Amino acid sequence: ETGVTQTPRHLVMGMTNKKSLKCEQHLGHNAMYWYKQSAKKPLELMFVYSLEERVENNSVPSRFSPECPNSSHLFLHLHTLQPEDSALYLCASSRSGTDYGYTFGSGTRLTVV
Amino acid sequence: GNSVTQMEGPVTLSEEAFLTINCTYTATGYPSLFWYVQYPGEGLQLLLKATKADDKGSNKGFEATYRKETTSFHLEKGSVQVSDSAVYFCALIEKGAQKLVFGQGTRLTINP
Repeated sequence: ETGVTQTPRHLVMGMTNKKSLKCEQHLGHNAMYWYKQSAKKPLELMFVYSLEERVENNSVPSRFSPECPNSSHLFLHLHTLQPEDSALYLCASSRSGTDYGYTFGSGTRLTVV
Repeated sequence: GNSVTQMEGPVTLSEEAFLTINCTYTATGYPSLFWYVQYPGEGLQLLLKATKADDKGSNKGFEATYRKETTSFHLEKGSVQVSDSAVYFCALIEKGAQKLVFGQGTRLTINP
């Protein structure tokens, strides 16, 4: 248990569905991140939230919509996804201004059919 | 910009072999350096870190030394086990910055 919890662990959704991924941290961190990890590709940073404000959006398609209601929770809302969006989605958190690195959740394995 | 380069995988070794996974970096300042490990079906876990030149990070028999002169942070282990099979990521973060910069990852397989 890392202190960062992601749910669900696995998700299968159709291209017309709407679903949400959830991330929760109990570490007192003030920054949260979404990463996409596809087979045989580098880790892709999708979104960065610092103090509940989005500070980075790396050209992610609008079918991915993040939400950070408070410093402990982060969501990724999904709608009308494509099969190439199938991947492991990782959430991480950190404390800004420190060099402790990130703490990651176990990820959500998403399959789009 | 900052970047991290790791040796290409996959790496396959026999149990009890010596392991080195090379990592070099490019940074404008003096970053902190990390190794993360990802076991099958899991997220990334911090393995070890070093925050300044000549520091040595160590954990679970793994070691890496922050070499400023060669801008390197190579991961080593004297005797690997099957349970060390995983993907290993080298990463850096500049002092005061927010973004962790990752290498591409190196898949390690240890055969009994």
